[in-house]
Amino acid sequence: ILNVEQSPQSLHVQEGDSTNFTCSFPSSNFYALHWYRWETAKSPEALFVMTLNGDEKKKGRISATLNTKEGYSYLYIKGSQPEDSATYLCACDMEYGNKLVFGAGTILRVKS
Amino acid sequence: ETGVTQTPRHLVMGMTNKKSLKCEQHLGHNAMYWYKQSAKKPLELMFVYSLEERVENNSVPSRFSPECPNSSHLFLHLHTLQPEDSALYLCASSQDSAGLNTGELFFGEGSRLTVL
Repeated sequence: ILNVEQSPQSLHVQEGDSTNFTCSFPSSNFYALHWYRWETAKSPEALFVMTLNGDEKKKGRISATLNTKEGYSYLYIKGSQPEDSATYLCACDMEYGNKLVFGAGTILRVKS
Repeated sequence: ETGVTQTPRHLVMGMTNKKSLKCEQHLGHNAMYWYKQSAKKPLELMFVYSLEERVENNSVPSRFSPECPNSSHLFLHLHTLQPEDSALYLCASSQDSAGLNTGELFFGEGSRLTVL
């Protein structure tokens, strides 16, 4: 059974703080790692898809890194803003075909 | 607007009812998915269709019956459900072409199902 673990479960930060979350997954038979942002009452939205060990991707103030050998990915948010409040999901694809297994998510709340 | 539309957004049904959830994607994708999110649980993959053929049935009870009449439409037919089936059902699509796409999923906003 493939387990994708995310930590922390929830996080409350002040506006302007930088924060990071962790996603852990089995390192064998790895194909791809996805990060999604899910705002309340909206649909999950893809942030990054990463496949190569050492990948680093960036979108504005959000960036992600990938270590496939040790089975983890970090998501960083620099200078958090209230609009960053959402649940951040990671998902692991262990074989080509988009059979993604999702973690439980990290809930981020940013106070102004 | 993600290009994936789900209807109805909310559904309340009794255990003896038959109802259907509908998903439509306007992105030209060739793969579609049903996911289930129960309270306090991660998203669970239920069904995958690629090129209109079912390629994955993730041990889902037969009271859930998917249908994919073409690459743009996906249905989930519901029959004699149980209260524990109450959940948010999310549809997603992607472009499934080896080596040519990121494979990211585009989700609808979900159908919130309550079984009484």
